[in-house]
Amino acid sequence: EIVLTQSPATLSLSPGERATLSCRASQSVSSYLAWYQQKPGQAPRLLIYDASNRATGIPARFSGSGSGTDFTLTISSLEPEDFAVYYCQQRSNWPPITFGPGTKVDIK
Amino acid sequence: QVQLQESGPGLVKPSETLSLTCAVSGYSISSGYYWGWIRQPPGKGLEWIGSIYHSGSTYYNPSLKSRVTISVDTSKNQFSLKLSSVTAADTAVYYCATGEVEPGYFDYWGQGTLVTVSS
Repeated sequence: EIVLTQSPATLSLSPGERATLSCRASQSVSSYLAWYQQKPGQAPRLLIYDASNRATGIPARFSGSGSGTDFTLTISSLEPEDFAVYYCQQRSNWPPITFGPGTKVDIK
Repeated sequence: QVQLQESGPGLVKPSETLSLTCAVSGYSISSGYYWGWIRQPPGKGLEWIGSIYHSGSTYYNPSLKSRVTISVDTSKNQFSLKLSSVTAADTAVYYCATGEVEPGYFDYWGQGTLVTVSS
């Protein structure tokens, strides 16, 4: 099973700042990695798939990069609605599909 | 636009079987896609339970495989989850979801349903 680790666990930033979130895989997942945003009481929302492709309707301030074992989600300028928990997920050679433990982006 | 809605008991006794159904609207299950179940214990992260292809092929998380059955009913345009021998550790919000962008990703989700395992 491919294990995903995310860092940092919590990121405290102010609106307008740049957020950089990391996801590392225990073995290569090629580019088969996605990022989700989850707000309290809501289902996760797909932001990025295949490492760098924005899902439908996702603002351009969200971007993804990386391949192999190291991936990054960047939010170029935080909006108030961006404060949430972010999960990475891999689908390389599934099953199983696995998720990272999440990074919480909160208001500084 | 694909819409999904989970339904089922909110309370299940230990050792019994958890049963949930996901009703799909806006898309015919028989047309394609993989249809999945994901759960989230209160205050914790996401865990993939398993997925089913429209043809009926199933893919399960090895950690749950011995207790999980996912099935599809194309006549009702819904798919179902059964999890047997539940314990308190199975208490979670259960989501059904599907991926249009690529198999193995989830871009459409149900709202989720909390299932509590307790006597």
